[in-house]
Formats: sequence, structure tokens, C-alpha cells
Amino acid sequence: AQSVAQPEDQVNVAEGNPLTVKCTYSVSGNPYLFWYVQYPNRGLQFLLKYITGDNLVKGSYGFEAEFNKSQTSFHLKKPSALVSDSALYFCAVRLYTDKLIFGTGTRLQVFP
Amino acid sequence: DTEVTQTPKHLVMGMTNKKSLKCEQHMGHRAMYWYKQKAKKPPELMFVYSYEKLSINESVPSRFSPECPNSSLLNLHLHALQPEDSALYLCASSPEGLAGLNEQFFGPGTRLTVL
Repeated sequence: AQSVAQPEDQVNVAEGNPLTVKCTYSVSGNPYLFWYVQYPNRGLQFLLKYITGDNLVKGSYGFEAEFNKSQTSFHLKKPSALVSDSALYFCAVRLYTDKLIFGTGTRLQVFP
Repeated sequence: DTEVTQTPKHLVMGMTNKKSLKCEQHMGHRAMYWYKQKAKKPPELMFVYSYEKLSINESVPSRFSPECPNSSLLNLHLHALQPEDSALYLCASSPEGLAGLNEQFFGPGTRLTVL
């Protein structure tokens, strides 16, 4: 079965420190991977995606993600966290049938 | 115009009411989606329209009825809902139809409460 896992319900980090939000996947064939962010009572905003090519993908708001095929991971990273980055982050995998399968979400809390 | 709009923002309805949610995009996208999201959970796909035709129905109860009158507009008609249907309903669009690899653009959602 195709799935996405986000092993951490919450990640806490101090402002200015690097952050990592973890995502692992299980798909047959080539994975198409996405990160979205959701602020309270809002829709999801696209951050970045991996389709093919360079394993390090750069996205919006200074975020980047590293695709690791051997570890089947697609962790989201940012060198220096901001308080305004506090939100709910979803990893997702795109299936051939036009479906997005979302992970369970990770709440990022950045403390001043 | 690079956004997906949804109306209303909030909706409270009784179990015997009929109401509709509306979603609109003017980005020329050919795929449109309805998702249901419960608090602190990921969005769950309900329906996908590709080129104005229903291409995916995730076994959604018939009290939810989607409609795509044209390529810019997506409706979700609600009838005889249950309290457990209370959730945030998200609309999304993407440039291509089936098997496209572009990201989906999400609207802000309609917060639905069923009494």
C-alpha cells in the first residue's frame, strides 16, 4: 500500500535554530513528493515538491527538502527558524490517479 | 488572479437543511478537488473533477453531491447531513487533469457545523 508517514506529532525549536520536519514514504514506482503548510483556520499552502532531478529541492519561505531514495525519506528543513514558521506541516505523495495522500501532519512550534 | 476562493467561510446548518458550498478559480486549471478535514487531521479526498467530468469519488455518502458547472466553478451540495459531517471543507485546483505533476492550490475552506 502507498503511504506517507510523519513520525513526529510536534517539533519544537528555538527561533534562529535549524529545523527539520521528518517524512518517510512507501510507494511503488517513482515517488512524487510534496510539502504543504497550514496556518490556523486556513487552507494548505504549497511549499515545495520533488518530481525528479536534484535531491535537494528549494521552496518557498526559505524551506528546502532532501529526497533520499535509499532511506525513502523527504525531510523538510530550514537553516534558521522564525516564530512565524509555527504551523501544521503536511508531507504528501502524489499517486498516478491524481490523488494526494497526506501524512498525519507535524505541528511545528518555534519559540522566541 | 492566482487564488482559489470559497464561499461561505462559515456555515451552520440543521440536519434537515439543504445548502451548497461554492469554489471558484480563474487560473485556467483543469482539475478541481473537494477535501474534508477534521481538526488536527490531514485532508481527506472526497471528489476530483478533471476537465469538468467527475473522475474520482472516494465512496462519499450521497448526502454530498458535487457539481462542476464549468471549468472555473465547483459546487458541493449538502443535504440531510449528520453532526459528524462537521469539518473544514477545502477546495483545490491544479493545472492539469489526471496524472499531472503540478501542485494543488487550496482555498481557505468553509467551516461547516451541522447541528
